[in-house]
Amino acid sequence: SQTIHQWPATLVQPVGSPLSLECTVEGTSNPNLYWYRQAAGRGLQLLFYSVGIGQISSEVPQNLSASRPQDRQFILSSKKLLLSDSGFYLCAWSTKYRGVKTQYFGPGTRLLVL
Amino acid sequence: SQQGEEDPQALSIQEGENATMNCSYKTSINNLQWYRQNSGRGLVHLILIRSNEREKHSGRLRVTLDTSKKSSSLLITASRAADTASYFCATDKGANSKLTFGKGITLSVRP
Repeated sequence: SQTIHQWPATLVQPVGSPLSLECTVEGTSNPNLYWYRQAAGRGLQLLFYSVGIGQISSEVPQNLSASRPQDRQFILSSKKLLLSDSGFYLCAWSTKYRGVKTQYFGPGTRLLVL
Repeated sequence: SQQGEEDPQALSIQEGENATMNCSYKTSINNLQWYRQNSGRGLVHLILIRSNEREKHSGRLRVTLDTSKKSSSLLITASRAADTASYFCATDKGANSKLTFGKGITLSVRP
């Protein structure tokens, strides 16, 4: 069966510090991968998605970046965090089978920038 | 406004009652999906309905899709306290690898 992991679960970082959030998927190959941010009590904002190694699509301009160094690894980074980067970050994967893009989500990382 | 808008934004019902949540969207879709999110957790896929389907059932869940009105509804029958969560609809336009999520409905089921 497929599983998706995210870490850390919670992170408190000072403004201006770097960020690295990691997401890994097990039990599937060549998945589509996604990073979302969710502000408190709000919907999901798609930040990045990737259809393959090294292929990253950015959805919104921001000071975050994403990388996919391996097939089942997706990393969200920042060189200098802003207060507005606080939120709940969710990673998700989907198959490319028959174009039905049901997404499966990780447990999330709660980031607080102070 | 955003593709995939749910209403109401919040719903509070008594255990045993039915809960109906609605979702509207603006452009043609390939399919529409409903997800649930418990507080502080990731989203969990509940059910998918394709654009050529009008109704679908899964346990206590019933989803309808009206492509002429660009709307969908999610009915949870005989609600339980454990159904307390946020519910999101997501539309798949089929053109790329993305889903577009609504802002969600917060359902509270009182025991």
